[in-house]
Amino acid sequence: GQNIDQPTEMTATEGAIVQINCTYQTSGFNGLFWYQQHAGEAPTFLSYNVLDGLEEKGRFSSFLSRSKGYSYLLLKELQMKDSASYLCAVRDTTSGTYKYIFGTGTRLKVLA
Amino acid sequence: GAGVSQTPSNKVTEKGKYVELRCDPISGHTALYWYRQSLGQGPEFLIYFQGTGAADDSGLPNDRFFAVRPEGSVSTLKIQRTERGDSAVYLCASSLLVRNEQFFGPGTRLTVL
Repeated sequence: GQNIDQPTEMTATEGAIVQINCTYQTSGFNGLFWYQQHAGEAPTFLSYNVLDGLEEKGRFSSFLSRSKGYSYLLLKELQMKDSASYLCAVRDTTSGTYKYIFGTGTRLKVLA
Repeated sequence: GAGVSQTPSNKVTEKGKYVELRCDPISGHTALYWYRQSLGQGPEFLIYFQGTGAADDSGLPNDRFFAVRPEGSVSTLKIQRTERGDSAVYLCASSLLVRNEQFFGPGTRLTVL
């Protein structure tokens, strides 16, 4: 089956760097996505990795190691507005279709 | 341009009633996904369409749930004989092609009393 694990909560200070880890297990891996979701709002796309390595996008970077089933999202120069839930999702093609399996999300609190 | 829209934004119904939730994807997007999200959880896959056909409906919890997309654009998620356990936020997402990033709508908050 498929399984995604990420920490439930993290706290960091404004201006700091935080790394949110995600591990996954699937036989049909076809890409890993990170989404940001503010309370009461829809998820918004942050990043996508399908090959090993680091993808950088402004203050946000995402890393993938397919052999380890591991990804992380790195947020630099944290701002108060970064307080949100961060969802790790795997696109899975085990059944021959394109399903997205989401983790439970990591709630990040940024403190002044 | 307009994003994904969902109506209604909130729906309160009584146990046993029938409800329909509507999703208007971004124009031209061929793939449309339905998810259910409970408090403190990530979105749970229900079904997705490529064009008019349901490509994968393996996430639908039981036969009370059904979804259609007759013209390859707007989709409706239908829930019969609602139960209190169906209460959740129902999210819709669309993408240009199934391989592209998904854009989510604001969701419909369903409450079954």
